[in-house]
Amino acid sequence: SQTIHQWPATLVQPVGSPLSLECTVEGTSNPNLYWYRQAAGRGLQLLFYSVGIGQISSEVPQNLSASRPQDRQFILSSKKLLLSDSGFYLCAWSVVRNSRGGPYEQYFGPGTRLTVT
Amino acid sequence: AQSVAQPEDQVNVAEGNPLTVKCTYSVSGNPYLFWYVQYPNRGLQFLLKYITGDNLVKGSYGFEAEFNKSQTSFHLKKPSALVSDSALYFCAVRDIENNAGNMLTFGGGTRLMVKP
Repeated sequence: SQTIHQWPATLVQPVGSPLSLECTVEGTSNPNLYWYRQAAGRGLQLLFYSVGIGQISSEVPQNLSASRPQDRQFILSSKKLLLSDSGFYLCAWSVVRNSRGGPYEQYFGPGTRLTVT
Repeated sequence: AQSVAQPEDQVNVAEGNPLTVKCTYSVSGNPYLFWYVQYPNRGLQFLLKYITGDNLVKGSYGFEAEFNKSQTSFHLKKPSALVSDSALYFCAVRDIENNAGNMLTFGGGTRLMVKP
């Protein structure tokens, strides 16, 4: 079965410090990968997605960047954190379409709670 | 562009009563619709989906959802609520214009509170 891991689970960082959050998926190959941010326990904002190694699409201009150095590894980074970067960061994956076009759902990791002080 | 609306920020229901969490959508073609649940400080868990076929879709934990094309709705339902169902629920629609990325557009979420 497939599993998705995120670490760290919680992180407290000062303003201006760098950031690196890691996400890995097991049990599947060539997944689509996603980074979301959830503020104040509410809606999800898609930050980045990737359809393959080295292929990153940014949905919203951010103080953040993403990289996919390996097939099942997705990293979210920042050179200098802002207070507004605080939030709950979620990584997700989905299967690349099969011959019938599906499946289509995304599966989420446990999340990282980031507090910028 | 597609969109999803969850008109209720919070739904309150007594344990044992039926529950409904509302979702309406807007897409240019055939909708692919999803429901997720999120417990505090956890990731989203997939509950169920509608792709095609029977309008009544059954999912995990006794939840079901009814697809209504004429009303462009996909409401989540459960015949008898449990206190443990208290959580944040998200409706989502698949992005048709970006198939390669399998993008989903999420609603703003509805908090379900089930009281004993």
